[in-house]
Amino acid sequence: QVQLVQSGAEVKKPGASVKVSCKASGYTFTSYGISWVRQAPGQGLEWMGWISAYNGNTNYAQKLQGRVTMTTDTSTSTAYMELRSLRSDDTAVYYCARAVVAAAGRFFDYWGQGTLVTVSS
Amino acid sequence: SYVLTQPPSVSVAPGKTARITCGGNNIGSKSVHWYQQKPGQAPVLVIYYDSDRPSGIPERFSGSNSGNTATLTISRVEAGDEADYYCQVWDSSSDLFGGGTKLTVL
Repeated sequence: QVQLVQSGAEVKKPGASVKVSCKASGYTFTSYGISWVRQAPGQGLEWMGWISAYNGNTNYAQKLQGRVTMTTDTSTSTAYMELRSLRSDDTAVYYCARAVVAAAGRFFDYWGQGTLVTVSS
Repeated sequence: SYVLTQPPSVSVAPGKTARITCGGNNIGSKSVHWYQQKPGQAPVLVIYYDSDRPSGIPERFSGSNSGNTATLTISRVEAGDEADYYCQVWDSSSDLFGGGTKLTVL
């Protein structure tokens, strides 16, 4: 069965960086993309970006351009999301999700369990 | 930039039908996907491509999309359907979520 297992919770100071991992299993990793979505406490879902596990192509949400980098390691079927220059408003649960891509766009059919990132001095 | 508008809350009695809307300019020309999120859990896909259901999602969940409004319909609502629901579209190479609707089962 398809599973996405994320790394554990992180506590970071403002200005630091965080790198969250997402290990996929149960499907051919390179046949799908991975998107990252975050959710601040009590707030809605915010799309952060997408990476093709096939060729590494990315596209990021405009508000995060320059601070976020998404990568994959096909040898371990793992996706990574690094966010730099952390601020308090980056405090959120970060989710990875398997992205199904078609001509009509993308949707997310399997999700990781979420990783809480807390930014606090 | 494209904006998706959902009502913050919808309330429905058990056994009745809940309709959750997602408004956007000419949203009928886009594919709309819906997610259910219960407290403390990751979102779950319940409808994709406007009206398709993933395996394991009850037939009580259905979707439609036309003009400026997409709608998620939940028939014969059960207590277990109480959750937040989000619509999502792909626009200009980016994905966008609506603000979410809290479904309360009375």
